[in-house]
Amino acid sequence: DIQMTQSPASLSASLGETVTIECLASEDIYSNLAWYQQKPGKSPQLLIYDASSLQDGVPSRFSGSESGTQYSLEINSLQSEDAATYFCQQHHDYPYTFGAGTKLELK
Amino acid sequence: QVTLKESGPGILQPSQTLSLTCTFSGFSLSTYGMGVGWIRQPSGKGLEWLANIWWDDDKYYNPSLKNRLTISKDTSNNQAFLKITNVDTADTATYYCARIEGSSPPFAYWGQGTLVTVSS
Repeated sequence: DIQMTQSPASLSASLGETVTIECLASEDIYSNLAWYQQKPGKSPQLLIYDASSLQDGVPSRFSGSESGTQYSLEINSLQSEDAATYFCQQHHDYPYTFGAGTKLELK
Repeated sequence: QVTLKESGPGILQPSQTLSLTCTFSGFSLSTYGMGVGWIRQPSGKGLEWLANIWWDDDKYYNPSLKNRLTISKDTSNNQAFLKITNVDTADTATYYCARIEGSSPPFAYWGQGTLVTVSS
C-alpha cells in the first residue's frame, strides 16, 4: 500500500496568514493527489485534485504543488471559515489511502 | 446537480452483517467512466477507503478488510450498496459514499454520511 505521511498534525494561525500543509507519498503517485477540507459534522469537500487543479467553486487562495513525492497545500490570506481538518489522498493506485489529517485552528 | 445519500441500520450487534445503501441523483452508474466509492471514518479519526464500483461493474476492495466486503449496484434505481460481514466494534464509524469519474479520480462529490454503531 502507498503510505501518505501528512504534517503537521495540527497548526494554529491568524487571519490573513499563509499556511502550508504537506503530504509525503511512500512512492511515486504521478501527481494523483487530492486535498479535502472537512468541518466538524460535515463530509469532506474536494479542494484540489491532480496535485494542483482547483476544484470548481473553491476559492483561489487554496493552491496545491508538488516536488517529487512531496505534495503541499497552501492556504493564503486565511479566513475564519478555513478552520477545519485537511486530508490528502492518493488516487493513483489501489488501495486508495489518506493522510492522517491536519487540524487547522484560527487564533 | 449531483447528490448522494447514505442509509444504514444505525446500530447492529457484533458478528452481524452491515448493509449500506447509497442513493444518488445527477448521474448514472451506466454512464461510461462513472463510479461510486465507499469511505468510512471513526469518530474523531481519519478516513479509510473501502471499495469502488464502476459503470462496467468493475470492483475494487481494500485488502485490509480481507473478504468481508461486497459492493454492488442497481443502475435502474440509482443505488449502490456495500455489505460488511462479521462486524465488530472496530467497524463503528460514519460511512460515506462518493462519486468518482474517469481514470485515477478523486472523490468529487460526497454524501452526508451515515453513522453506524456496532454494540452488544
